[in-house]
Parts: sequence; C-alpha cells; structure tokens
Amino acid sequence: NAGVMQNPRHLVRRRGQEARLRCSPVKGHSHVYWYRQLPEEGLKFMVYLQKENIIDESGMPKERFSAEFPKEGPSILRIQQVVRGDSAAYFCASSTADGTDTQYFGPGTRLTVL
Amino acid sequence: QKEVEQDPGPLSVPEGAIVSLNCTYSNSAFQYFMWYRQYSRKGPELLMYTYSSGNKEDGRFTAQVDKSSKYISLFIRDSQPSDSATYLCAMSDSGGYQKVTFGTGTKLQVIP
Repeated sequence: NAGVMQNPRHLVRRRGQEARLRCSPVKGHSHVYWYRQLPEEGLKFMVYLQKENIIDESGMPKERFSAEFPKEGPSILRIQQVVRGDSAAYFCASSTADGTDTQYFGPGTRLTVL
Repeated sequence: QKEVEQDPGPLSVPEGAIVSLNCTYSNSAFQYFMWYRQYSRKGPELLMYTYSSGNKEDGRFTAQVDKSSKYISLFIRDSQPSDSATYLCAMSDSGGYQKVTFGTGTKLQVIP
C-alpha cells in the first residue's frame, strides 16, 4: 500500500546541468501536482497534470522547466540548465479526482545546485 | 502582500499545553481550508480539511474558520512531543481543481 514515491530523494547538480525528478503517484491516482518549497517559504504550486495532459502550468517558470505524466510510468519534472536559485525541495502530490479529493504528498526531492 | 500570512515561529510549548496556530488571508474567494503537518525532511501530511466557515474537531485537533475576518486557526489540545513539526495552513477557491495556496508554516516544538 505504497504512498506517493519520489526519487531521487537528494540530487546534486552543477550549474548548467539538467535535473530530472520522478514521481510515482498513489496506485489508482491519475492526478499529479508538483510544488516547490524554498527555504523559509511555503509550498508553491508549479503544475497540475493528468495522464498525458498538462492541465495547469501557471506556476511553472516559462523557461527551463517542463513536466510530463506519460500514459505509462512516473511523472517527470525536468529542469534544464539549472542555476543556484533552483535549489529547493520539490514535492509531488497525487489525488484520485479533480478538485474535490485530498492531495497526498510524497517525501520530496531536495535539489542542490553547486 | 502575500495571499496567506502565517507566523513562522518557532513556537515552544511544554508538553500538555494547548497550542494555537493561526493564518490570515486576503483572497475572499477561498472556500476550502486545510492544515498540514510536516516533519523535518518529510512531505506534508493532511491533518484537517474544512469547507467554508465553522469548526471541525478530530481527536486533539480543532480547526476553526472565520471567513468574515479571513482568519483560520488550528488548536492542539494536550500537546505531545510527537506534535513537534511545522504546521502549514493551506486554502483554495472553488475552482474545478485544487490549486492550493500554502502559508509559510509555523514551526512548533513541544518540550517534554
């Protein structure tokens, strides 16, 4: 009865490299949300996806960031050409339904950009 | 001005004390109100979920929402050392999906 799984838990990248963060939702959940948590700040919504569709990416930076949730496999948050300001904890959440269901959070991926 | 304001603390209380955690908000469209608990290096865990104004009780936890004042509270009775964590308030409007706006969190330490 696994919850939301995220990997890796810790990721270190040098400036200019790519970071790929993975999220496997709770079994049976078809809705995935990505959040970013900067030190001393609250969680910030980034993107909401359903299988093979991006529903709302209004919280995503326009450049370098992309997300997908393919028909098979985990959801991926990709950050290209990372900069030090990308260092943060990235959380994935999943839910069964649109809007009214509770979101269950994963343990997060802590990205450090050197 | 942030949409949701929350005192970051830290808040230290002795074991057994009643804890009061609070948030204020500015967006009158918010209808759903939540409290999450986040242990260090872990993901947030939903504690309480309320719709519109009123009170909700669950064991030692009571959530209060006052929409007229744009103010929400979480009370923890008989606090335990295991309650030591960061508590995040969160809220959303009645859109078709929940894009939740979080407070910055209040760090609570319950001292044995």
